[in-house]
Amino acid sequence: NAGVTQTPKFRVLKTGQSMTLLCAQDMNHEYMYWYRQDPGMGLRLIHYSVGEGTTAKGEVPDGYNVSRLKKQNFLLGLESAAPSQTSVYFCASNNRGSSKLYEQYFGPGTRLTVT
Amino acid sequence: DAKTTQPPSMDCAEGRAANLPCNHSTISGNEYVYWYRQIHSQGPQYIIHGLKNNETNEMASLIITEDRKSSTLILPHATLRDTAVYYCIVRVGTSYDKVIFGPGTSLSVIP
Repeated sequence: NAGVTQTPKFRVLKTGQSMTLLCAQDMNHEYMYWYRQDPGMGLRLIHYSVGEGTTAKGEVPDGYNVSRLKKQNFLLGLESAAPSQTSVYFCASNNRGSSKLYEQYFGPGTRLTVT
Repeated sequence: DAKTTQPPSMDCAEGRAANLPCNHSTISGNEYVYWYRQIHSQGPQYIIHGLKNNETNEMASLIITEDRKSSTLILPHATLRDTAVYYCIVRVGTSYDKVIFGPGTSLSVIP
């Protein structure tokens, strides 16, 4: 049981390049999230998904797109990277249930630098 | 959501119990107490949560006072790997939502 895994762990992009971050979970969770974490800013939600084939915007969605074609995978895309997207990106997942909706399991993170 | 107050930092000797307090005096009846931690350069980690009864799992114990206005996270035998920032969060657990961390408590486990 690997939990939540993220690929890649590190990446350096040049401004204007594109990339996709992959998140995979093997816990059969319904909900998945993409966050970014910047120094002094805490966690900010980019996009989330409440089930296969569904996605929704979080608080900082601009410049990112997501897809959830399979229940276990949640992809985060940067179409044209900007230096402001330099950050650590975390994926998380959880399941439905009365108190479990705030019991989120996080991946190890992807450290992205845009030059 | 109820506001939480935690000490900014604490030290604990390796092998001893680490007791991390959290005040949440405005907690409402349907709000749970959740604990997360984040070890430096790693992803946040869910630890435990509870409503009003004390809870225990393989990582920690959560003691909630009878009036629910405060709680304590107990790491029974702290190790160096427990050095992290610990976050106490009070939330209604019935809607999917982003995890919001406050300043937390920076716990240093000392050899």
